[in-house]
Amino acid sequence: QSVLTQPPSASGTPGQRVTISCSGSSSNIGSNAVNWYQQLPGTAPKLLIYSNNQRPSGVPDRFSGSKSGTSASLAISGLQSDDEADYYCAAWDDSLNGREVFGTGTKVTVL
Amino acid sequence: QVQLQESGPGLVKPSQILSLSCTVSGGSISSGNYYWNWIRQPAGKGLEWIGRMYSSGSTNYNPSLKSRVTISVDTSKNQFSLNLSSVTAADTAVYYCARGDWNYAGDLWFDPWGQGTLVTVSS
Repeated sequence: QSVLTQPPSASGTPGQRVTISCSGSSSNIGSNAVNWYQQLPGTAPKLLIYSNNQRPSGVPDRFSGSKSGTSASLAISGLQSDDEADYYCAAWDDSLNGREVFGTGTKVTVL
Repeated sequence: QVQLQESGPGLVKPSQILSLSCTVSGGSISSGNYYWNWIRQPAGKGLEWIGRMYSSGSTNYNPSLKSRVTISVDTSKNQFSLNLSSVTAADTAVYYCARGDWNYAGDLWFDPWGQGTLVTVSS
């Protein structure tokens, strides 16, 4: 069902920088903005980045997003133990009369 | 601060209708230009968008579920609802409601989300 492809896992030690990729196509990332959601264990997803690179109030500037062509990336700098979570990218897809599509999800582990 | 809370049966029999409600607090569901969304997540799996209702009443549904989904709003209760018909075990998931916000560039995002409610389809 997932249309956007993410690596299943990523890891780093405290303080390191971790990057997560999100690959799509011309009908989704290539045409529309990308959002990122953080899902801590046992909780609902939370908006982390919207409109490719905008942070909602309260989200630390350690989190940053970027987009180029049909791919997007989320970077976490100064990795902390609290960052251990699942991360999902998302975008509107213009095919099939339009629908929101999510990435496959990436589990970030802090070593 | 707007908060969303899902409610409904935790167990539904196969072939029956799954019905959930999402109560919005801290703001009126009919004020502002927002989308009201349903999203689900099977255990251990990723997120799937089900559909949305705009504040005007118009709806959009995931094509993969469109024939079985209805989203409606009850402004008197400040709630919106999901009906999913002819359910099977494959519909077992945590169901989330979420407010959809947007900007004039046409960008859309979900914030906030409800805490989610587990619905199991089993006889």
